Amino acid sequence: EAGVTQFPSHSVIEKGQTVTLRCDPISGHDNLYWYRRVMGKEIKFLLHFVKESKQDESGMPNNRFLAERTGGTYSTLKVQPAELEDSGVYFCASSDPVLAGINEQFFGPGTRLTVL
Amino acid sequence: QKEVEQNSGPLSVPEGAIASLNCTYSDRGSQSFFWYRQYSGKSPELIMFIYSNGDKEDGRFTAQLNKASQYVSLLIRDSQPSDSATYLCAVSGGSYIPTFGRGTSLIVHP
Repeated sequence: EAGVTQFPSHSVIEKGQTVTLRCDPISGHDNLYWYRRVMGKEIKFLLHFVKESKQDESGMPNNRFLAERTGGTYSTLKVQPAELEDSGVYFCASSDPVLAGINEQFFGPGTRLTVL
Repeated sequence: QKEVEQNSGPLSVPEGAIASLNCTYSDRGSQSFFWYRQYSGKSPELIMFIYSNGDKEDGRFTAQLNKASQYVSLLIRDSQPSDSATYLCAVSGGSYIPTFGRGTSLIVHP
């Protein structure tokens, strides 16, 4: 079974540009999460989808970030316009509590975003 | 604000020894406690979870939880060089959304 995949693995952009990150969760997982780790800091929650609906977006830093999950499958996270402080590693995770019994989240490899 | 604190390390132990990783948390309402292992450049991988006070053992790993002291630990027995990684402590309440610590780097040297 394929795990959570993310694309691209690395992205280097200039301040003011737009970047779109993609996450493909494990097939059948209704729950999809985005996290971010800024260098030297802890992994922080951004938002949570249940299928195509945003369940919790309390961690989104500001309105420059837009997440979508059309059709309840893959998700995209767009940053527009990017700022220097947006640099970090963006992780996606998915889970299906019904199957796992607990909320075991499976993480993707992350996208390393560098804003110059 | 909910906080999870870990010593960043590195914690260096010889092969075969017991590695002890510690974590404290601020939210007394926390219900679920997780340990993730993250190899450099890789994704975090869940290795242990615990809900109740006491110990939970799985192979060479033992998670210990003390809710009164707001303390959770991970013991790795018979440490191997392949255990060298960053270990992330995560804590969540009823929302299933974990709050992570910054992680402890573990180095197991032959």
